[in-house]
Amino acid sequence: AQSVTQLDSQVPVFEEAPVELRCNYSSSVSVYLFWYVQYPNQGLQLLLKYLSGSTLVKGINGFEAEFNKSQTSFHLRKPSVHISDTAEYFCAVTALGYYGGSQGNLIFGKGTKLSVKP
Amino acid sequence: DVKVTQSSRYLVKRTGEKVFLECVQDMDHENMFWYRQDPGLGLRLIYFSYDVKMKEKGDIPEGYSVSREKKERFSLILESASTNQTSMYLCASKIGDDSYGYTFGSGTRLTVV
Repeated sequence: AQSVTQLDSQVPVFEEAPVELRCNYSSSVSVYLFWYVQYPNQGLQLLLKYLSGSTLVKGINGFEAEFNKSQTSFHLRKPSVHISDTAEYFCAVTALGYYGGSQGNLIFGKGTKLSVKP
Repeated sequence: DVKVTQSSRYLVKRTGEKVFLECVQDMDHENMFWYRQDPGLGLRLIYFSYDVKMKEKGDIPEGYSVSREKKERFSLILESASTNQTSMYLCASKIGDDSYGYTFGSGTRLTVV
């Protein structure tokens, strides 16, 4: 069975500082990986995704993530954060079947709350 | 722009009431999902549906049921609301291929008093 671990429940950071939100997954098969962002009192919005190919994935709002198969990680990074990046971030994984299609549903991590201070 | 619409943003209900949470998507997606979100627990899947009139239990179906009579609408039903069902409820949909990810509604914050 797949699982997702977000190693930090809360990450406080000052404005314009770099940030990394960590995500590790467990799966015995190939996966698709996603990061979602949830602003206060809103639903989840897709930030970026890794399907195949280049391990460095760029998303919206200046975020990027790197897929590391050997480390089973998919950490999210931004070189300089803004106050408006304050939100909760969710990592998610879905396993792929033998013929490449996804099996089952998305499995979500428990979320990391990013708090950007002035 | 594609949309998943949840009919209520905030809802307050009394213990024992029957509660309906409605979700409508305009993307012709086959799959629809109901999650509940609680602090520290992330998103937990309640039920999902991969076609009209089809439903599957998720991880925490107890105390809930669902209805999908039309492709675009997926309803979550609390047969007899209890205080431990106070939560944020999120609806999502996707086409058959997971590579596109899920599209989420804005959520319904339900308080049971």
